Amino acid sequence: DAKTTQPPSMDCAEGRAANLPCNHSTISGNEYVYWYRQIHSQGPQYIIHGLKNNETNEMASLIITEDRKSSTLILPHATLRDTAVYYCIVRGYGGATNKLIFGTGTLLAVQP
Amino acid sequence: NAGVTQTPKFQVLKTGQSMTLQCAQDMNHNSMYWYRQDPGMGLRLIYYSASEGTTDKGEVPNGYNVSRLNKREFSLRLESAAPSQTSVYFCASSVEGVATNEKLFFGSGTQLSVL
Repeated sequence: DAKTTQPPSMDCAEGRAANLPCNHSTISGNEYVYWYRQIHSQGPQYIIHGLKNNETNEMASLIITEDRKSSTLILPHATLRDTAVYYCIVRGYGGATNKLIFGTGTLLAVQP
Repeated sequence: NAGVTQTPKFQVLKTGQSMTLQCAQDMNHNSMYWYRQDPGMGLRLIYYSASEGTTDKGEVPNGYNVSRLNKREFSLRLESAAPSQTSVYFCASSVEGVATNEKLFFGSGTQLSVL
């Protein structure tokens, strides 16, 4: 599976959009980009995933570049409750070995 | 809406003791997973079960055993606990364990300390 690179931490003002970048320059054609977040002491929570088209759901938007080597998770109106570690994961279709590998993620601190 | 339930939430063991962490899901998911998370680190996969009756090693399986008791339950056993196994353990499940739908649901974790 392709490796991802994320900044270790970011700040965002409450009410503003939070844009979290992820680099996955070695991604291959059948690999999906997943985003999860982990609020302190809790289990990770699924946010969104995509292959090559931009995706949006009730939580966030995922923008994947045309060459698929990087992506951005957008939280349109960040709140204090969005303070968490955000994990970008690349995962391909792998039969019986399907599993997600979590890195160290980006700690997003939403400031009042 | 219980989702993924882990027991116990906290446990303190002495080196060499054994224990089993329990995990159950009520979402009729096929795949289940055990992860550990050490301070300041991401989650690392210990074992997973793609479907009932099958289990496979993840990144860090040494010192652990698992049992997929039925479709709902997936337990993690430490036969002889070591201080290096002090960690927070998370159980997770997913519908089919395929990349097109790798949406994992996590439990709230078990904080384990081995003295």
